[in-house]
Amino acid sequence: QVQLVQSGNEVRKPGASVKVSCEASGYTFGIFGISWVRQAPGQGLEWMGRISVDNGDTKYAQKFQDKVSLTTDISTSTAYMELRSLRSDDTALYFCAREIFSGSLALDHWGQGTLVTVSS
Amino acid sequence: QSVLAQSPSASGTPGQRVTISCSGGSSNIGSNTVDWYQHLPGTAPKLLIYSDVQRPSGVPDRFSGSKSGTSASLAISGLQSGDEAEYYCAAWDDNLKGYVFGTGTKVTVL
Repeated sequence: QVQLVQSGNEVRKPGASVKVSCEASGYTFGIFGISWVRQAPGQGLEWMGRISVDNGDTKYAQKFQDKVSLTTDISTSTAYMELRSLRSDDTALYFCAREIFSGSLALDHWGQGTLVTVSS
Repeated sequence: QSVLAQSPSASGTPGQRVTISCSGGSSNIGSNTVDWYQHLPGTAPKLLIYSDVQRPSGVPDRFSGSKSGTSASLAISGLQSGDEAEYYCAAWDDNLKGYVFGTGTKVTVL
């Protein structure tokens, strides 16, 4: 069965960076794109960006253009999200999710979430 | 604030039908398909509807989606206590060049 397993919770100081991993299994990793979504405390869902696993093409939400880098390692079926220049309002639960088919952003399988806490 | 507006809350008794609306514009719902998610805080969201009306395998047919112009709706029929959750619409926005989620609707089963 399709599974996305994310790395563990992280604590960082303001100004630091964090890199969250998302290991996929149960399907051919290169066929489906991966998106990243976050939920800050008391807030709704927020799409951060996506990566085409087959060619590495990325699209970022305008808010995250200069703050996020999405990469993948096909050899380990793992996607990565790096968030830089952390601020307290980056404290959130971060999810990776698989796109249901090429050309659609609908997200049919999700990781369990990684809590990133930014605190001095 | 999201470009996709949803009513903050909706409620119904067990067995009733509840409809959640999502209002957007020509750059999102008016020109792209709509997806719907069910979300319990702290857990992974679940895709209920994609491409306006399609249900992924395993999603009961109690959940149905529709779209007209720049608005979309999610209907839940035969409401159950397990349906208590936050529901989000989502669509690609051509102006923002991003996938946007709605503001969310909390469904309560009375």
